[in-house]
Amino acid sequence: SQQGEEDPQALSIQEGENATMNCSYKTSINNLQWYRQNSGRGLVHLILIRSNEREKHSGRLRVTLDTSKKSSSLLITASRAADTASYFCATDASSGAGSYQLTFGKGTKLSVIP
Amino acid sequence: ETGVTQTPRHLVMGMTNKKSLKCEQHLGHNAMYWYKQSAKKPLELMFVYNFKEQTENNSVPSRFSPECPNSSHLFLHLHTLQPEDSALYLCASSQLGTSPTNEQFFGPGTRLTVL
Repeated sequence: SQQGEEDPQALSIQEGENATMNCSYKTSINNLQWYRQNSGRGLVHLILIRSNEREKHSGRLRVTLDTSKKSSSLLITASRAADTASYFCATDASSGAGSYQLTFGKGTKLSVIP
Repeated sequence: ETGVTQTPRHLVMGMTNKKSLKCEQHLGHNAMYWYKQSAKKPLELMFVYNFKEQTENNSVPSRFSPECPNSSHLFLHLHTLQPEDSALYLCASSQLGTSPTNEQFFGPGTRLTVL
């Protein structure tokens, strides 16, 4: 069954505003990762948060993780037109017994209007 | 993006054709992955190779046949595909074992259209 579920499916904001995307998942995880995908291209890793961490920052990105609610959020501050892309959360629930899978959600499509 | 390369970038094939997708990673990683990305569906993991050994095959039809001759190269052989197999096929790599996080590095993908 699908592990990660992003919300909203689409988000349109003005340049300079903040964008918040949410991700919910179903099982226990080792870590949760956020990826970005420009249209028709490969995914690019943005940030990783481990299950024992609650918040992490990287430049204009802020990620939170609430394991009790099985949810994460990605905040992009002071958005730019170049931030226009799809954003995916991926959960790593690897058991360590030879299974190394990331499970991706459907993504949030972010449009930043100049 | 040059860490993982994929060829061809676009492919159009008939249902009776046989073609292959190629992926090469220049990152020294020991694991490689094939994903399928269809419109309005989550990214689907197809195959995982860890140290050249296939460790995952997520119920993928036999018309998709992976090959991993070494830790830097991964192929996806295609034959007698169906129109619903049209999608973006993404290759990724990661370093397992020394890094417990499984951060994956993706290629740009091959856009496949089956007529």
